[in-house]
Amino acid sequence: ETGVTQTPRHLVMGMTNKKSLKCEQHLGHNAMYWYKQSAKKPLELMFVYSLEERVENNSVPSRFSPECPNSSHLFLHLHTLQPEDSALYLCASSRGTGDNSPLHFGNGTRLTVT
Amino acid sequence: KNQVEQSPQSLIILEGKNCTLQCNYTVSPFSNLRWYKQDTGRGPVSLTIMTFSENTKSNGRYTATLDADTKQSSLHITASQLSDSASYICVVSAPNDYKLSFGAGTTVTVRA
Repeated sequence: ETGVTQTPRHLVMGMTNKKSLKCEQHLGHNAMYWYKQSAKKPLELMFVYSLEERVENNSVPSRFSPECPNSSHLFLHLHTLQPEDSALYLCASSRGTGDNSPLHFGNGTRLTVT
Repeated sequence: KNQVEQSPQSLIILEGKNCTLQCNYTVSPFSNLRWYKQDTGRGPVSLTIMTFSENTKSNGRYTATLDADTKQSSLHITASQLSDSASYICVVSAPNDYKLSFGAGTTVTVRA
């Protein structure tokens, strides 16, 4: 196991639904990330938290709302999504930000918006 | 334009054969370059990391090379196995910057 657990693994939601993605890391890391992975495209950084403080928003639409209650947990709240938001959402953690420590990824949530 | 370009986009090889994947980058200044392996339905897992002063790094049957002057890296897979079927992603970082530059990946399919 990677030490980073994401739930659910798969999610299908309508455009009017509200859902949340959950990420938990058991590595004692201080930084957590949300990435979006679309087919044949590079990973896109969405949000970064360091010691529970958000340090990056990266111009993500407001229909995506992150929450980091503590350094081990990260949520991504979803509402009124669009079909183009269908993608694999990856959570990652690292020791810190800016120290070039490697990212440890979860196995992702495959999101389909209908 | 993406700062990290990978080629080929995909390739198919027979089990037991070797293959080489390419990564060209424009990120500057440069801190390190990593290769990640992503199995289908899984998150990426780090294979190798190389800093400016390193020009080769091995991890089992995987050997990565780096030419920081020409800003090129390659990942060589020796004696491929069916379990090598995956996407291989090149990731470049600048000093003291959490914003990594990702390539789009090369999908490798190993056939028996």
